[in-house]
Amino acid sequence: GENVEQHPSTLSVQEGDSAVIKCTYSDSASNYFPWYKQELGKRPQLIIDIRSNVGEKKDQRIAVTLNKTAKHFSLHITETQPEDSAVYFCAASFTGGFKTIFGAGTRLFVKA
Amino acid sequence: DSGVTQTPKHLITATGQRVTLRCSPRSGDLSVYWYQQSLDQGLQFLIQYYNGEERAKGNILERFSAQQFPDLHSELNLSSLELGDSALYFCASSENLRSGGGPYNEQFFGPGTRLTVL
Repeated sequence: GENVEQHPSTLSVQEGDSAVIKCTYSDSASNYFPWYKQELGKRPQLIIDIRSNVGEKKDQRIAVTLNKTAKHFSLHITETQPEDSAVYFCAASFTGGFKTIFGAGTRLFVKA
Repeated sequence: DSGVTQTPKHLITATGQRVTLRCSPRSGDLSVYWYQQSLDQGLQFLIQYYNGEERAKGNILERFSAQQFPDLHSELNLSSLELGDSALYFCASSENLRSGGGPYNEQFFGPGTRLTVL
């Protein structure tokens, strides 16, 4: 069945460093790849997404890259800040279908 | 505030009992999704409804069921509860899907219902 693998499960960086989270998906029909941030005790919130017709997208300190051939996409956070500490989830879905498959999550710690 | 509301916020019950969780989607959203998040775990997709019809099913137990009503609110029913059912249950909504491929299912999550089974 469909699957999304996410690595690493935990990531600890110093403030100001970059953080990279990687995901691979199994369903080649997937064409939408959102990233959600979940702070402790709160709801997941979309932070950035990418469609399959785009290889890279950037929004201030956050960027996402997509390699459809390899079925791989990544989240890049530059100049990390303590408030970036949270759990990040990648996901893959297909507009013709209705199911969004989430990765297991990455717990990011940014040390001041 | 995402515009998605869930009630109740907290629910404490005993094993073997049945509970109903309620979700109201954002205004105009036709799709509702249910997820289960156990302690320190990821988001497990349970089920999705679109305009009253079930459209996708994940790893939802037979003891669980859901429905979406004509006013588009949704309810998740959990029965014969077990200790392992203790979790945070999220509802999310997204705008209606149109033919031709879009939109791309951006989901807006509610605040969740924390279920504790004792």
